[in-house]
Amino acid sequence: QVQLVQSGAEVKKPGASVRVSCKASGYTFTSYYMHWVRQAPGQGLEWLGIINPSGGSTTYAQKFQGRVTMTRDTSTSTVYMELSSLRSEDTAVYYCARDRGYDSSTWYGSDYWGQGTLVTVSS
Amino acid sequence: DIQMTQSPSSLSASVGDRVTITCQASQDISNYLNWYQQKPGKAPKLLIYDASNLETGVPSRFSGSGSGTDFTFTISSLQPEDIATYYCQQYDNLPSFGPGTKVDIK
Repeated sequence: QVQLVQSGAEVKKPGASVRVSCKASGYTFTSYYMHWVRQAPGQGLEWLGIINPSGGSTTYAQKFQGRVTMTRDTSTSTVYMELSSLRSEDTAVYYCARDRGYDSSTWYGSDYWGQGTLVTVSS
Repeated sequence: DIQMTQSPSSLSASVGDRVTITCQASQDISNYLNWYQQKPGKAPKLLIYDASNLETGVPSRFSGSGSGTDFTFTISSLQPEDIATYYCQQYDNLPSFGPGTKVDIK
């Protein structure tokens, strides 16, 4: 069965960086894009970007350009999301979410989600 | 960027009621729209893809319709386990979500 297991909660100071991991299992890792989505406390869903685990290409939301980096390690079927220059507004639960398109050249939305990782930014 | 709006932002309905949520895109997105359900403390769950297709395993009381800029999500007979927040998401361009509609029981 498809599983996405994310790393644990993080507490960071303003200006620092955070890296969240997402280990995939139960499917061919390189055949599905992976999205990153976040949700601030009591707020809605916000899309950060997407990575193609096959070639490593990425597309980021304009809001996060220059601050977010998504990478992958095909040997461990893990994707990573690093967000830098953290500020209090980055406090949120961060989700990885598999795209539902198989071997696709575009994205379609997410059929499987990780459990979420709470990142707290506080001085 | 494509902006998504939803209405209402919240609603209360009785068990067995028909519930309808609307979602509007700021430009034509064809049928590139998903609907998700999110329960408190849980990750979102995909219910409807391509505007009107029911995801495998999702009860048939959930349905979606629309194309272009205007979309509708319907629960034909509200059940207690449907208490959640519902989000639309477009994927015509870089994905974006609507602000959500919170559904609870009257």
